[in-house]
Amino acid sequence: EAQVTQNPRYLITVTGKKLTVTCSQNMNHEYMSWYRQDPGLGLRQIYYSMNVEVTDKGDVPEGYKVSRKEKRNFPLILESPSPNQTSLYFCASSANREVRTEAFFGQGTRLTVV
Amino acid sequence: QKEVEQDPGPLSVPEGAIVSLNCTYSNSAFQYFMWYRQYSRKGPELLMYTYSSGNKEDGRFTAQVDKSSKYISLFIRDSQPSDSATYLCAMSARNSGYSTLTFGKGTMLLVSP
Repeated sequence: EAQVTQNPRYLITVTGKKLTVTCSQNMNHEYMSWYRQDPGLGLRQIYYSMNVEVTDKGDVPEGYKVSRKEKRNFPLILESPSPNQTSLYFCASSANREVRTEAFFGQGTRLTVV
Repeated sequence: QKEVEQDPGPLSVPEGAIVSLNCTYSNSAFQYFMWYRQYSRKGPELLMYTYSSGNKEDGRFTAQVDKSSKYISLFIRDSQPSDSATYLCAMSARNSGYSTLTFGKGTMLLVSP
């Protein structure tokens, strides 16, 4: 089954404690992205990757890091989480080379930073 | 002016009604238009994807793009309670093989039996 898998689904952490949210896709897609979704603000892109070792900032990259060492994995790293990073996070992937339609989204990770 | 505007709703309709969901946008460079459905506590799911102006139909769903008015619509015929979800529009402009997506904030649809 084609899917994007995120882990964990729910996470409560404390300010400043480094954490990683994993994302893996089984469709051999080149493009992968991270979004956060907040009430009243909608979906905003954090980082994206066009292929292995190729990453770039989205609209709200501050406080986040990513890496793309393998095609299937695209982890999101919060080096020093703060309460304003409490949000619902989605990983997405797509294979369309000409236009970026986010074809598949993960189930989401609800992060709470206290 | 926000790039993509979408009424948050909720839009409540009885089962069987025709539903019209809409987005307006300001960036004339947008050429690709998408509609996503998001159930509560789930990730968005791509429903429809259209390029430039015109209509596209898929089962009970029809996507319509009017670039001259900067207005896109999603019509749902014979709406079902299972259509109750938040519908997100998204747009992108082709740019050297990669374009970021700009999402609307979503419209919540409630279809009552």
